[in-house]
Amino acid sequence: EAQVTQNPRYLITVTGKKLTVTCSQNMNHEYMSWYRQDPGLGLRQIYYSMNVEVTDKGDVPEGYKVSRKEKRNFPLILESPSPNQTSLYFCASSFQGSNQPQHFGDGTRLSIL
Amino acid sequence: AQKVTQAQTEISVVEKEDVTLDCVYETRDTTYYLFWYKQPPSGELVFLIRRNSFDEQNEISGRYSWNFQKSTSSFNFTITASQVVDSAVYFCALSGIYNQGGKLIFGQGTELSVKP
Repeated sequence: EAQVTQNPRYLITVTGKKLTVTCSQNMNHEYMSWYRQDPGLGLRQIYYSMNVEVTDKGDVPEGYKVSRKEKRNFPLILESPSPNQTSLYFCASSFQGSNQPQHFGDGTRLSIL
Repeated sequence: AQKVTQAQTEISVVEKEDVTLDCVYETRDTTYYLFWYKQPPSGELVFLIRRNSFDEQNEISGRYSWNFQKSTSSFNFTITASQVVDSAVYFCALSGIYNQGGKLIFGQGTELSVKP
């Protein structure tokens, strides 16, 4: 089954404790992105990758890191999480091209205390 | 700059009513793509439709229809004979041809509640 898999689905943690949210897709997509969803703001792109070893900042990259060592995986790293990073996070992937629909994972709800 | 506005934050209807969700966008690109996504209470995002800027034909898929009007920069979504299962948050999104990595610009979302 074609899918984007994120883990964990839920996480409650404390300020400053490094965490990684994993994302994996099995559709051989070139493009992968991370978005965060906050009430009243819709979804905003954090980072994106157009292919292996090619990553770049989206609209709200502060406090996040990513890597793309393999085509299928695109982990999101919070080196020192803070409460303002409490949010619902989505990983997305698509074939190359801005006309391609993005396929989203089921979301990861992070709470930073 | 690109922007998507969904002015309706919440809409509540009774089952079998028709409902239209509004979406207005801004972009300087001449080629761009518009999308609608559905987010049911379970939280996942489900792709509904994609439209390119050169195709202004309206589209119908079952009870769903979309009206794209370039003259008013709008891409509205109508659900006919709404059902309880249509209750969800609906997002309109825009992607320009130069959007790196296929970046989507999302509206704020419209929460639709369909009551039995």
